[in-house]
Amino acid sequence: RKEVEQDPGPFNVPEGATVAFNCTYSNSASQSFFWYRQDCRKEPKLLMSVYSSGNEDGRFTAQLNRASQYISLLIRDSKLSDSATYLCVVRGGGNKLTFGTGTQLKVEL
Amino acid sequence: NAGVTQTPKFQVLKTGQSMTLQCAQDMNHEYMSWYRQDPGMGLRLIHYSVGAGITDQGEVPNGYNVSRSTTEDFPLRLLSAAPSQTSVYFCASREWASLAQPQHFGDGTRLSIL
Repeated sequence: RKEVEQDPGPFNVPEGATVAFNCTYSNSASQSFFWYRQDCRKEPKLLMSVYSSGNEDGRFTAQLNRASQYISLLIRDSKLSDSATYLCVVRGGGNKLTFGTGTQLKVEL
Repeated sequence: NAGVTQTPKFQVLKTGQSMTLQCAQDMNHEYMSWYRQDPGMGLRLIHYSVGAGITDQGEVPNGYNVSRSTTEDFPLRLLSAAPSQTSVYFCASREWASLAQPQHFGDGTRLSIL
């Protein structure tokens, strides 16, 4: 089992739709969680950190479920500019960061 | 601040050649790392450093060397390039003291080995 697993997609959604991504992790000792966004042929950039209580940043909501060992990202009112690959990142023991392979989102007119 | 600067952005090598990928950051970050990104594999850690003079191996270190003589610079050396090292390479840095801090990535180096 991979340390961090994501559905690779692609998720093709119409503009204005709500879309949710899930990510599961295998190391129960994992301590920090992030969602990164990566545009085609660009570097990954931090989208948001994920806190235990859940957190929201505009149209984006991140949640963490430690018991089930998954994190989620919800995008509301999706825009064309949201089209990208979303990487789930988990920091486990020894300060090691593990990246998921990413979920591709395509927002269409 | 320029952030994390990687050079070159593109490179084509022949099998057996050696080269150095440069990485520099101007944020005084203690922690620097090198990743490679391959389709379907995600980003995999090659080597990392927690400060000047200290380096350690990541998940896929074979075929690569690093050094950290200064806080700012963290070059990655390919000793004898192989086609399996064709990939996109990202350098990243972050503060060490706050473990929850995210990483800052460079623009990436697209490397092809023929």
